[in-house]
Amino acid sequence: GAVVSQHPSWVICKSGTSVKIECRSLDFQATTMFWYRQFPKQSLMLMATSNEGSKATYEQGVEKDKFLINHASLTLSTLTVTSAHPEDSSFYICSAREPEGSYNEQFFGPGTRLTVL
Amino acid sequence: AQKITQTQPGMFVQEKEAVTLDCTYDTSDQSYGLFWYKQPSSGEMIFLIYQGSYDEQNATEGRYSLNFQKARKSANLVISASQLGDSAMYFCAMRERDSSYKLIFGSGTRLLVRP
Repeated sequence: GAVVSQHPSWVICKSGTSVKIECRSLDFQATTMFWYRQFPKQSLMLMATSNEGSKATYEQGVEKDKFLINHASLTLSTLTVTSAHPEDSSFYICSAREPEGSYNEQFFGPGTRLTVL
Repeated sequence: AQKITQTQPGMFVQEKEAVTLDCTYDTSDQSYGLFWYKQPSSGEMIFLIYQGSYDEQNATEGRYSLNFQKARKSANLVISASQLGDSAMYFCAMRERDSSYKLIFGSGTRLLVRP
């Protein structure tokens, strides 16, 4: 199956700093990528839909200035958590959609665990 | 209103037995897709099985089968012959027709397989 990678797999940062998380589709071109956030013992919540070459579409309640998304190429989307605070500590997961794929069109990355001190 | 409901926060099953994880959904679309994912403690999301709203037969993938009851809007996951490695969180998800392919997830069920 298609492979999606995320980097870094975990990051610890100080409050007020910005953190960039990369999501890459390794063996296919992804016109659409999705960013999810998962708090401990909770479900995945969609944050935004990232389309290559255009602005991301954010879900209601997600601050677009806080969570900057860039989808500059068909294989890379980045999520930048700006001025991170402890409440931003979470597990961030991306998924990528393969346009030519079958029904299982979304392939998930392994996730990035962010801890803000 | 919640679109995907998983009413079992936790389940136990004895090794080698079958277990059913419940999922109900709410949509007004005629065309939609239903997914089940497994999330072990490592955090990765593992795709298990898919059911399309127009599929007449229940989906099966190895030890996984989906009990699809369209009129009741339920899509329960059945795991047969449970193994210790099946212990994980299980999420039901739905993709509606005009949703730009985004998935809506249920709250999940934690399954523990007892030896």
